[in-house]
Amino acid sequence: GAVVSQHPSRVICKSGTSVKIECRSLDFQATTMFWYRQFPKQSLMLMATSNEGSKATYEQGVEKDKFLINHASLTLSTLTVTSAHPEDSSFYICSVSRVSGGGTDTQYFGPGTRLTVL
Amino acid sequence: AQKVTQAQTEISVVEKEDVTLDCVYETRDTTYYLFWYKQPPSGELVFLIRRNSFDEQNEISGRYSWNFQKSTSSFNFTITASQVVDSAVYFCALLYNFNKFYFGSGTKLNVKP
Repeated sequence: GAVVSQHPSRVICKSGTSVKIECRSLDFQATTMFWYRQFPKQSLMLMATSNEGSKATYEQGVEKDKFLINHASLTLSTLTVTSAHPEDSSFYICSVSRVSGGGTDTQYFGPGTRLTVL
Repeated sequence: AQKVTQAQTEISVVEKEDVTLDCVYETRDTTYYLFWYKQPPSGELVFLIRRNSFDEQNEISGRYSWNFQKSTSSFNFTITASQVVDSAVYFCALLYNFNKFYFGSGTKLNVKP
């Protein structure tokens, strides 16, 4: 079954509104989650690293005040797109990393959330 | 700095043909992992394979095979006897800092009946 869930799967909103996207780790506790963005017909780009109990780490060029990340529990990270504009329309995907035997990580991706800003 | 290059933007083949998707990577890390993911129109990423930098053995899984060559920094993916259901965008990715992905630009594969 699914290891990572995202909600909602699709959202359409008006320009200027804020949208919250949830990412849940279903099978294990995750101190770290990642948020990626994929514009139409483009690749996935890492936006930020979500750290449980501390501030998120943003990649260069990603506005932290626009993309608010909250990782309040070991199974939930939220991404809020504030004052969304049409150029924020994208496919947002979260991933969760689990340390397995031997110290290596196994990564799981969520199903993605398609955001359309009108 | 990390880089993954998938030079083939789009490939079209006829069903039952073999097709190879190319991936070339750059990294200064001595330990790294390479992945291939399939992204169908639904958008959800489907994990295909993970290979660590110390394991250069080629791998075969059904109709899929992977050729990892550190000497040329390549990790190519071959689909044998392609099927229409193989139509999707395929991403090659490099895992760095132990848990961050750098994705290639993707190759869209169209398999026609």
